[in-house]
Amino acid sequence: AQSVTQLGSHVSVSEGALVLLRCNYSSSVPPYLFWYVQYPNQGLQLLLKYTSAATLVKGINGFEAEFKKSETSFHLTKPSAHMSDAAEYFCAVKGAAGNKLTFGGGTRVLVKP
Amino acid sequence: GAVVSQHPSWVICKSGTSVKIECRSLDFQATTMFWYRQFPKQSLMLMATSNEGSKATYEQGVEKDKFLINHASLTLSTLTVTSAHPEDSSFYICSAPPQREGYNEQFFGPGTRLTVL
Repeated sequence: AQSVTQLGSHVSVSEGALVLLRCNYSSSVPPYLFWYVQYPNQGLQLLLKYTSAATLVKGINGFEAEFKKSETSFHLTKPSAHMSDAAEYFCAVKGAAGNKLTFGGGTRVLVKP
Repeated sequence: GAVVSQHPSWVICKSGTSVKIECRSLDFQATTMFWYRQFPKQSLMLMATSNEGSKATYEQGVEKDKFLINHASLTLSTLTVTSAHPEDSSFYICSAPPQREGYNEQFFGPGTRLTVL
């Protein structure tokens, strides 16, 4: 069984400030981990993924995430928030076998000017 | 990347009617597709796994006679909401994992907003 917990359903940051979204997972097998972004009334777009290669993963739009096995975490960061980063962010985990994704509850990011 | 489309993007129907939503993989083949529903300000809930050439696998609590899934080809899966009621109003999203080397992620369609009056 696998699960994902995203700490904080809402995060408010000022434009230009650091964005930090937290994700902790549990998985009985080495996981694949993903961050997706969803803009209003749209589907999900992949930001980045961890697939057991480098633990620090760089994604699109200046985002990156670090896989820490000891902490079972995969937190998402961006050094400087932009207004266009306002969206919903989902962390997801997939076991090595099969394709089912398990999603966290999501974190809504608000960017203040 | 890989592209997944959905049609229609939004639909309004009367209570008691059936609605069909299409999910297509445009530039890759998908033997498996997934259907999710998403209520406002909530996460995605997996409804079922659509399997090409075999029956869909439904998650616990999802009525298979209510939500009919047909994986007609390697690029098309359809979800039919039968005898729709207002409580079926939701955002329905499909996804598909490309059967390609190096792809572990799923690609998502843009979603279909269903409103049942």
